[in-house]
Amino acid sequence: EAQVTQNPRYLITVTGKKLTVTCSQNMNHEYMSWYRQDPGLGLRQIYYSMNVEVTDKGDVPEGYKVSRKEKRNFPLILESPSPNQTSLYFCASRTSRFTANYGYTFGSGTRLTVV
Amino acid sequence: KQEVTQIPAALSVPEGENLVLNCSFTDSAIYNLQWFRQDPGKGLTSLLLIQSSQREQTSGRLNASLDKSSGRSTLYIAASQPGDSATYLCAGRGAQKLVFGQGTRLTINP
Repeated sequence: EAQVTQNPRYLITVTGKKLTVTCSQNMNHEYMSWYRQDPGLGLRQIYYSMNVEVTDKGDVPEGYKVSRKEKRNFPLILESPSPNQTSLYFCASRTSRFTANYGYTFGSGTRLTVV
Repeated sequence: KQEVTQIPAALSVPEGENLVLNCSFTDSAIYNLQWFRQDPGKGLTSLLLIQSSQREQTSGRLNASLDKSSGRSTLYIAASQPGDSATYLCAGRGAQKLVFGQGTRLTINP
């Protein structure tokens, strides 16, 4: 089944303790991206990657890092989490071919709480 | 800068009614527009994708239209059911990202 897999689904952590949220896709998609969803603010892009070793900032990159060493994986790293990073996080991927024909596939989300 | 607006923010209707959700966007230079469904605290399920060159797409009881010139898209749900209760999000695809509306929270009352 074609899918984007995020882990963990739920995470509670303390301020300052480094954490990584993993994202993996099995569709051989070139493009991957991270979004966060907050009440009243909607979904906002954090980082994206056009292909292996190519990453760029989205709208709200502060406090986050990413890497794209393999095509299928795009982990989100919070090196020193703070309570304002409490949110619902989504990973997404899409092909870079035939731009208009294909949409995004989203993971099931990671609910992060930083206390 | 692309901005996407969805009206209404919330909608409650009795079961069986046909309904329309609205989405407007400010920049007509989109590759496509995607409608998603989100259940509370859950992920995003893609419902329909309309390419920028298309006018509408249909899937079962759902029909989505796109008018790029006016910056509008609508999602029509026929014969609504309680299981349709969810938040519906539209998103316009730009060069490097999707820009989402805030969503319409739909409640279908039995």
